[in-house]
Amino acid sequence: ILNVEQSPQSLHVQEGDSTNFTCSFPSSNFYALHWYRWETAKSPEALFVMTLNGDEKKKGRISATLNTKEGYSYLYIKGSQPEDSATYLCARNSGGGADGLTFGKGTHLIIQP
Amino acid sequence: DTAVSQTPKYLVTQMGNDKSIKCEQNLGHDTMYWYKQDSKKFLKIMFSYNNKELIINETVPNRFSPKSPDKAHLNLHINSLELGDSAVYFCASSDGQGYNSPLHFGNGTRLTVT
Repeated sequence: ILNVEQSPQSLHVQEGDSTNFTCSFPSSNFYALHWYRWETAKSPEALFVMTLNGDEKKKGRISATLNTKEGYSYLYIKGSQPEDSATYLCARNSGGGADGLTFGKGTHLIIQP
Repeated sequence: DTAVSQTPKYLVTQMGNDKSIKCEQNLGHDTMYWYKQDSKKFLKIMFSYNNKELIINETVPNRFSPKSPDKAHLNLHINSLELGDSAVYFCASSDGQGYNSPLHFGNGTRLTVT
């Protein structure tokens, strides 16, 4: 994997169901993996930053895991609510510091009432 | 209390013009960035600026130049605008230089070059 890739590109989920999606990234020169939530007409907001292999982070109904050896991270949403509808971006930092992040294209999640 | 603010929100201009986009953050962060959302919807780093150190993405044309009058501001100047510069530009900031610092984004500036 040369770039940050996210799948699926879009996802429709029934309200109340749980869901998850994937971020894949090059495992070499890994520093950190970020997840952002991006609602329409707003700016991306940080959900998690993970640095260590095996890291698990949780914020309310949303959680994320990290596998740096194989180069993937999962984002889980439990009991989806309409307000969870957004684009979820992951981004990898491979240079540290101010080198910036390489973003994936995002997973567009739509929660259907 | 807007943490990272960009102006203008929309900018429509003609080819060949010079324009600026302003960015201010009130978070006390040390590092500021400019990202471009390209036609494929990817967010791509253009510049990062920390303690007067500028890191430039080598793919950015030299018509684009960041200006930082102080730690809280990082403005983007674009000379001789081209049609291909049309995009949404996002300013962001983060605390320190740590790779584990989340970015705080502005709401974006939609630039349309006609």
